[in-house]
Parts: sequence; C-alpha cells; structure tokens
Amino acid sequence: DAKTTQPNSMESNEEEPVHLPCNHSTISGTDYIHWYRQLPSQGPEYVIHGLTSNVNNRMASLAIAEDRKSSTLILHRATLRDAAVYYCISWDYGGSQGNLIFGKGTKLSVKP
Amino acid sequence: AAGVIQSPRHLIKEKRETATLKCYPIPRHDTVYWYQQGPGQDPQFLISFYEKMQSDKGSIPDRFSAQQFSDYHSELNMSSLELGDSALYFCASSTQGMDSPLHFGNGTRLTVT
Repeated sequence: DAKTTQPNSMESNEEEPVHLPCNHSTISGTDYIHWYRQLPSQGPEYVIHGLTSNVNNRMASLAIAEDRKSSTLILHRATLRDAAVYYCISWDYGGSQGNLIFGKGTKLSVKP
Repeated sequence: AAGVIQSPRHLIKEKRETATLKCYPIPRHDTVYWYQQGPGQDPQFLISFYEKMQSDKGSIPDRFSAQQFSDYHSELNMSSLELGDSALYFCASSTQGMDSPLHFGNGTRLTVT
C-alpha cells in the first residue's frame, strides 16, 4: 500500500511558485522519497528524489522535513506545461529490489 | 538521450485473444518494471526484473506472464484477454537500487473488444 498522502488537486497561476505537500509519517528511515509527474497520455516522468536533505535540480526543489514525516515539492515558476498529476512515492521494499507504488497524486492545474 | 521504447503503441484485441507487449530499456539499465494504468486510475505495479530474473511481483493476474531476455529487453504476455484488461501498459527501466530514478516509456494502449 502507498505510504504517502497528498491533496487531490491544487491550482496555481502561471509564473508563480507552487508548493505541493506530501505526508509520509510511516515511512522507514531508509526509504527515499520520490516525486514523479504524469502529463495526459504520457508515461510518468521522474522529477526529483531525496532521503534527508533538501534537493535541487533543474526541474524542482524538494524540501524534506527534519522528522521526515512530510515533504514539499517546489516548482519555482509554474508554466502551463507543468499541469500534470504529481505523485509523491516512497520506495517499497516489499520484495527483493523494491519498486515504486503509486498512490493518489495531486492534480495540478496552472492558470494563464 | 535514448529513452525506454515500447511497442506497439496501440493494440486492439478481442476477448480471449493473446497479446505481447515489448519493452526496450535504456542501455546499461539492468532493471525493468511493468505497470498497468486503467482509465482514470493511477499506475499499478505488475512485475519487475533485475538482471533477467524476476525481482518483485505486484498485482499481476495469473493470465499474464513476463520475462527479461539476455539483451535486457522485456516482454509482457497476456492471455485470455478480458474487457477489464483494456489499459495503458507502461514499462520503466533503471539501474539497481532505490536511489535510482525510473525512466518510463510512453506506454502501449491495449483495447480489448
């Protein structure tokens, strides 16, 4: 089962920052937090991931709470192309190598 | 950069027929994952392979089987197709480990009539 919870939907204005929250109070201390997004009719796309420290890449920033019970994906300037479903996922080590178990993501709408 | 390639992009089958979906991972990726996404649903993990051996198993029906070949490509075989099997099927590849991002293909849209 997914170990994360996210809002069903969020709205943003174009060129404004977006903060997408995720709660993951039950993940273990060694589970990475991954963020993916899915545009309509496309496969999920990797956005960012981290363990304890805040992470930055060309797409976004990931702020992880000190107690690791929550994290926030930050899109610094939303564009219309950022409209997608954003998934916050913890790595599931139920089997041998593990895998990503998608839960209910956040549908982000971006208004011009 | 090379991405994950899936074929075919679209497939139409009738009930009780069989279907084979193919996935070609990114070069040097040793792990392949299969996901199923029904209409309006979130992706559901089916099965994964690491170094040509089955690694993890999710909600894959017994009518489905999969394997990873010596060149690391993978095939998902689906038999006795049902209407409910109509979905997008995504393949993803990565290098080993939970620190490695998954790279997804654009999927195969299977329609069962």
